[in-house]
Formats: sequence, structure tokens, C-alpha cells
Amino acid sequence: EPEVTQTPSHQVTQMGQEVILRCVPISNHLYFYWYRQILGQKVEFLVSFYNNEISEKSEIFDDQFSVERPDGSNFTLKIRSTKLEDSAMYFCASSEAGASNQPQHFGDGTRLSIL
Amino acid sequence: LAKTTQPISMDSYEGQEVNITCSHNNIATNDYITWYQQFPSQGPRFIIQGYKTKVTNEVASLFIPADRKSSTLSLPRVSLSDTAVYYCLVGDAGSGTYKYIFGTGTRLKVLA
Repeated sequence: EPEVTQTPSHQVTQMGQEVILRCVPISNHLYFYWYRQILGQKVEFLVSFYNNEISEKSEIFDDQFSVERPDGSNFTLKIRSTKLEDSAMYFCASSEAGASNQPQHFGDGTRLSIL
Repeated sequence: LAKTTQPISMDSYEGQEVNITCSHNNIATNDYITWYQQFPSQGPRFIIQGYKTKVTNEVASLFIPADRKSSTLSLPRVSLSDTAVYYCLVGDAGSGTYKYIFGTGTRLKVLA
């Protein structure tokens, strides 16, 4: 079964540094998403992306965050100047279409630890 | 903004039926309700999805009343491997922009 893959599985970064989290969505999917999950809390929506531009974003997704599809397979989340509170699991997801009747398929996440 | 609330935790014994309810008062009119299962250190895994009434697949059933302000995930005969956190996911367009909102999650513990 095709799956969403994320790298690295764990990223440790000094506060203030830039970090890029990488995702390879399922190949025939057109919509891509990033979510985060702070330890012990629920999953929170960050951003959705379609046709090389952001479709929707939450209040969490401020100017420190950006997303990009640099080539035909990767989808990245960049945090420009990390803060301690950015420590969380970050999940990438993809779906065939943007309608809510198309389920999102999630990767197993990148654990980001900010020191 | 949609508030999607679930019971924090539930315990059950193997072989029993488990019903987990999610309350989503402000679900967008055209939105489906999706349920996910999450194990520690893994991403959410799709279980089932529906718009109204009842949907059944090989692992679960989903019951949605006519007002769609809630939904109930039913796991027919749970086993130890069903111990996980279960989330509902709905779309919210209440603030003018569309967002996906996960429920607060229900931690299910299945006992032998």
C-alpha cells in the first residue's frame, strides 16, 4: 500500500536555527498538508497546499513557517527561526483531492526537539 | 471556530463493542466526518468516513444523526491491539477560511 514518508524521524535543533522537514506524499495525490502535535495534545492543522500554493492555513502558521514543493515528489515545511515552543511532532499528509470525502493519509511524523 | 470534543478516555474488555462519540457543533455544511486511529510515535491512520446516517466498513461503523452535530464511532469487538487514541476530524469554515479540526482525542484502553 502506498504511504507518505517523512524524514528525518527525529530532528534536534538549537533555538533560533532554521529547520526543514521533508515529506514524500503518495504519488498520485494532489493535496498536501502539514499538522503538528505537541506532546500529549491533539493534532493541530497548520497548512494545506495545492497546485503550488497555500490553500488554507491556521493561526499557528505565521511568518516563521513556509511550505514548498521543490520538485515533483517532495513537500517541505521550513521553520525560519525556531523557538522552544516549536518542539512537537510534525505530520505530513496527502489526499487525492481537496474535498473532505477524500481521506488524508498521514506519515509517521518528524519529532522536532528545540534546545 | 468548530469545537470538536470527545471523552478523554475509555476502558473496555476484549470482545466488547466500543462506542466513541465526537461532538462537532459547527461542522461545515458539505463536510464529511473522518475518524482516525493513532498509536504512539505513529501518524493517524484512517478508519472510516461518512456524511450522514450510517456507514460500515470491515473494521468499524459510523453513526451520524440528522443534525450532524455529533458522530459515533463503533468498534464491534475490540482486541488488545485496538488500544490507541481515536480522533474525529471535521472541516470548519466558520471563521471565513477553511480549516481541518481534529477532536480532542479519546484514549481507548482494551483490557484482557
